Amino acid sequence: DAGVIQSPRHEVTEMGQEVTLRCKPISGHDYLFWYRQTMMRGLELLIYFNNNVPIDDSGMPEDRFSAKMPNASFSTLKIQPSEPRDSAVYFCASSSVQSNQPQHFGDGTRLSIL
Amino acid sequence: GQNIDQPTEMTATEGAIVQINCTYQTSGFNGLFWYQQHAGEAPTFLSYNVLDGLEEKGRFSSFLSRSKGYSYLLLKELQMKDSASYLCAVRSRSNDYKLSFGAGTTVTVRA
Repeated sequence: DAGVIQSPRHEVTEMGQEVTLRCKPISGHDYLFWYRQTMMRGLELLIYFNNNVPIDDSGMPEDRFSAKMPNASFSTLKIQPSEPRDSAVYFCASSSVQSNQPQHFGDGTRLSIL
Repeated sequence: GQNIDQPTEMTATEGAIVQINCTYQTSGFNGLFWYQQHAGEAPTFLSYNVLDGLEEKGRFSSFLSRSKGYSYLLLKELQMKDSASYLCAVRSRSNDYKLSFGAGTTVTVRA
């Protein structure tokens, strides 16, 4: 079975540029989560969706960050304009509705803003 | 808010046992998860506890005491491949399916 698929795996860009990260959740999963992981702050939840609707975006750091889920099989996380402090690994995860089911993580996007 | 504490690092010898503790203070409780994360890779699910007691899965076991806000992950018969970061994550009822993660415990297994 295909897991959570993220693209790109690596992204290096200059500050000020727009960055778009993509995620395809596991088919049939109702929940999709975007996380950011850094050495300093660990794994932080940015936003999550249920049935394509954003439920909690309190972790989104500032207005430069936005996320969408236009359909059940695709989500994007966009940073515009990007800054060096946005450099991190960004993970997408999905889970089903049963409370005992874990979140399954994609391989992540390693983002470097120069 | 959520407060989840676990030790930063632990070192153990191949074949030994290591216990990773996790304490939490959360507004509500609806389950605790343990994840393993190898360097440069994604977290992968290890175990889930929602009721008090011990859950055993092969070499790995996880324990929960809700009254004490405490869990541990027990790794037995350590192997070199068990060298990784282990993350404790709590789901609080008021936040639905949102997980709050601890900072992780880096376990180094030495020959």
